[in-house]
Amino acid sequence: AQKITQTQPGMFVQEKEAVTLDCTYDTSDPSYGLFWYKQPSSGEMIFLIYQGSYDQQNATEGRYSLNFQKARKSANLVISASQLGDSAMYFCALRRGSNYKLTFGKGTLLTVNP
Amino acid sequence: ETGVTQTPRHLVMGMTNKKSLKCEQHLGHNAMYWYKQSAKKPLELMFVYNFKEQTENNSVPSRFSPECPNSSHLFLHLHTLQPEDSALYLCASSQDQLEDTQYFGPGTRLTVL
Repeated sequence: AQKITQTQPGMFVQEKEAVTLDCTYDTSDPSYGLFWYKQPSSGEMIFLIYQGSYDQQNATEGRYSLNFQKARKSANLVISASQLGDSAMYFCALRRGSNYKLTFGKGTLLTVNP
Repeated sequence: ETGVTQTPRHLVMGMTNKKSLKCEQHLGHNAMYWYKQSAKKPLELMFVYNFKEQTENNSVPSRFSPECPNSSHLFLHLHTLQPEDSALYLCASSQDQLEDTQYFGPGTRLTVL
């Protein structure tokens, strides 16, 4: 069975500092993808970054990067130079390579303090 | 900014009402999804349509009835709902079902009295 675990219900970070949001997963499928989404209080789920299981390099997208450790089955999101607008819920999601279904974690509420 | 829109954004309805949620995507995608997000629970996939054909019904009660008249529009018809159906209903789309990123709309916040 697929499983996604986000162990941090809430995180605080000072503006302009970096923060790491944890995500571990469990799948026996050799091909899979990992996604991070941001959900502000308005409700919309905003796609941030994607990492494929066969990707050789860690994904990066602007201030977002993914610390992908395949052997440990972890895909932590790193946000550099935090901004007040980064305050939101962050969800990690797992998808098997040939299956469109996303399994979401319970999320981490990030609060950026001025 | 978003390529996926949802209306209404907020909806309050009684248990005997009939209402519909609408989703429209402007991304040229072929797959569309309905998700339910309840408080303190992970997102739950409800329905999937690919090229207008329903490919997934994740054991959703019949009081929820989806409709996909074309690849750009997706509806969720609601009738005889229960208070526990109160949740955020999110629509998403992707290029197709296979290995593509899903892009979400802003959601409809539904309250059933």
